[in-house]
Amino acid sequence: EDKVVQSPLSLVVHEGDTVTLNCSYEVTNFRSLLWYKQEKKAPTFLFMLTSSGIEKKSGRLSSILDKKELFSILNITATQTGDSAVYLCAGGSGAGSYQLTFGKGTKLSVIP
Amino acid sequence: EAQVTQNPRYLITVTGKKLTVTCSQNMNHEYMSWYRQDPGLGLRQIYYSMNVEVTDKGDVPEGYKVSRKEKRNFPLILESPSPNQTSLYFCASSFQGGTFEAFFGQGTRLTVV
Repeated sequence: EDKVVQSPLSLVVHEGDTVTLNCSYEVTNFRSLLWYKQEKKAPTFLFMLTSSGIEKKSGRLSSILDKKELFSILNITATQTGDSAVYLCAGGSGAGSYQLTFGKGTKLSVIP
Repeated sequence: EAQVTQNPRYLITVTGKKLTVTCSQNMNHEYMSWYRQDPGLGLRQIYYSMNVEVTDKGDVPEGYKVSRKEKRNFPLILESPSPNQTSLYFCASSFQGGTFEAFFGQGTRLTVV
């Protein structure tokens, strides 16, 4: 059975701090690792990583994948209150059901 | 605008009363799926469809039905809802399942009393 585990489950930081969110995965026919941000309702897409060791960056957010150790991290620098959300990690299968298996998420709270 | 549209956004119903949640996407995506999200359990896939007339069970299919008669639509049917189906439901679509980004609908908050 495919599995994605995120840590920590919740995190409280002050504005300006840097945070690192972790995601480990065991996905059959692994093809991609995706990060989403969920604020009020629908998850919104952040990154998709398919190649090991190549960092993807968008503003203050960045992510990297390690396919040998089966994990990914999401970094957020200079956090702002608007970064408060649940961050979801998903492992994508490239065969069979082509399913996305989600972790339970990391709830990030950024306080002023 | 590329989007996945779900309706209704909120629904309160009684045990046993059949209901349908609609989902439509305008991106010509082949892959569509339904998830439920429960506190402490995360997003779990209910059913998915790789193309028209092709559907299959996800991780938690019991009590649900789906159909895919047209590429853009993927309704979720609860023939006889029960209180344990109270949840937040998301429809999602992508070009091809786990190899591409999934776009999510806005969610349907279902309460079964």
